[in-house]
Amino acid sequence: LAKTTQPISMDSYEGQEVNITCSHNNIATNDYITWYQQFPSQGPRFIIQGYKTKVTNEVASLFIPADRKSSTLSLPRVSLSDTAVYYCLVGAPGGGYQKVTFGTGTKLQVIP
Amino acid sequence: DGGITQSPKYLFRKEGQNVTLSCEQNLNHDAMYWYRQDPGQGLRLIYYSQIVNDFQKGDIAEGYSVSREKKESFPLTVTSAQKNPTAFYLCASSISRNSGGYYEQYFGPGTRLTVT
Repeated sequence: LAKTTQPISMDSYEGQEVNITCSHNNIATNDYITWYQQFPSQGPRFIIQGYKTKVTNEVASLFIPADRKSSTLSLPRVSLSDTAVYYCLVGAPGGGYQKVTFGTGTKLQVIP
Repeated sequence: DGGITQSPKYLFRKEGQNVTLSCEQNLNHDAMYWYRQDPGQGLRLIYYSQIVNDFQKGDIAEGYSVSREKKESFPLTVTSAQKNPTAFYLCASSISRNSGGYYEQYFGPGTRLTVT
């Protein structure tokens, strides 16, 4: 399984755009990149997923360079409710399983 | 509404007792997972199951056991052999296909287990 590295914590003011970068140097050809959000005492929630280039949904954008060795989650105009831990995951099914590894994530603190 | 339920939300047990955590899903997902999360840490995989009557050990299976007798249910037993059982336990499910691609995991609300 590909190992991921992301910052332990980040602070941002309300209304700013936040970019969280994840490094995954040994990503495999079949691996997808997925980001989850977790609030305290809750289960993680899927945010966005991509394989290459750029993916955008109503919540975030995901930028993946051509070599796929890193990815950047972009949250536009964050609010206090975006304070959470964000996990970057890299993985692919093997024989039908989706076994991926959650690291320690990035704790985002949004400041008023 | 479709989703995953875990019960109870909080559970207290005395050391040396086995305890079973419930996980039920009505999403018609094939795969189910159990994770453990300690304070300030990420999630660690305990067990996962792709189909009924089949399951595989994750990274920290020692001291835990599971069963998958029904597609909807994947209970986790924390045995007395687990040395540090106090933690937040999360159950998840996902579609499982052999056609490739990655399918997101849907998580339950979690059970916070305290053993004293």
